[in-house]
Amino acid sequence: AQSVTQPDIHITVSEGASLELRCNYSYGATPYLFWYVQSPGQGLQLLLKYFSGDTLVQGIKGFEAEFKRSQSSFNLRKPSVHWSDAAEYFCAVGAGNTDKLIFGTGTRLQVFP
Amino acid sequence: DAGVIQSPRHEVTEMGQEVTLRCKPISGHDYLFWYRQTMMRGLELLIYFNNNVPIDDSGMPEDRFSAKMPNASFSTLKIQPSEPRDSAVYFCASSPGTSEQYFGPGTRLTVT
Repeated sequence: AQSVTQPDIHITVSEGASLELRCNYSYGATPYLFWYVQSPGQGLQLLLKYFSGDTLVQGIKGFEAEFKRSQSSFNLRKPSVHWSDAAEYFCAVGAGNTDKLIFGTGTRLQVFP
Repeated sequence: DAGVIQSPRHEVTEMGQEVTLRCKPISGHDYLFWYRQTMMRGLELLIYFNNNVPIDDSGMPEDRFSAKMPNASFSTLKIQPSEPRDSAVYFCASSPGTSEQYFGPGTRLTVT
């Protein structure tokens, strides 16, 4: 069965520092992979997606993610974090031939000035 | 495009009352999903529709919950009777069929 693991529940970084949020998935074929961001009191917003092709994917708000099949990972990165990036981040994998998404448990990002 | 629209944004009701949450998906999207989010259980898929037909309702917690999609532009999630443990944020999302889902702003439900 498909699954997604986000090993970091809570991460704190200083504004301007680089960021990497980890995501590992379990899936038998080439997965569809997604990162979503949820600001307090808001819905989930799609940051970026990977379907196929180039393994380095660019998203909105300066985020990028790299698909590494050998490590079953899809880590999210940003070179310089802004205070407005403080939010909860969810990794998700497309569940095969359905349109369901399997979500990770989320990583809460806190940004200090 | 206005995105996924949900109403109401906040609902406070007393235990035993009926609650109806509403969702308007993005035009042209064939899939509609209902989720529930709580601190304890995270984000849970309740039910999803394809072309207005329920495909998987295995996440619906019990018979008190029901969902309908009478047409391509409207869906409801009903809880009858409501209980305090139903307090959560309920999200609707729609998809064009490529797995990527677009979420609404959510309805925060409080049952006292």
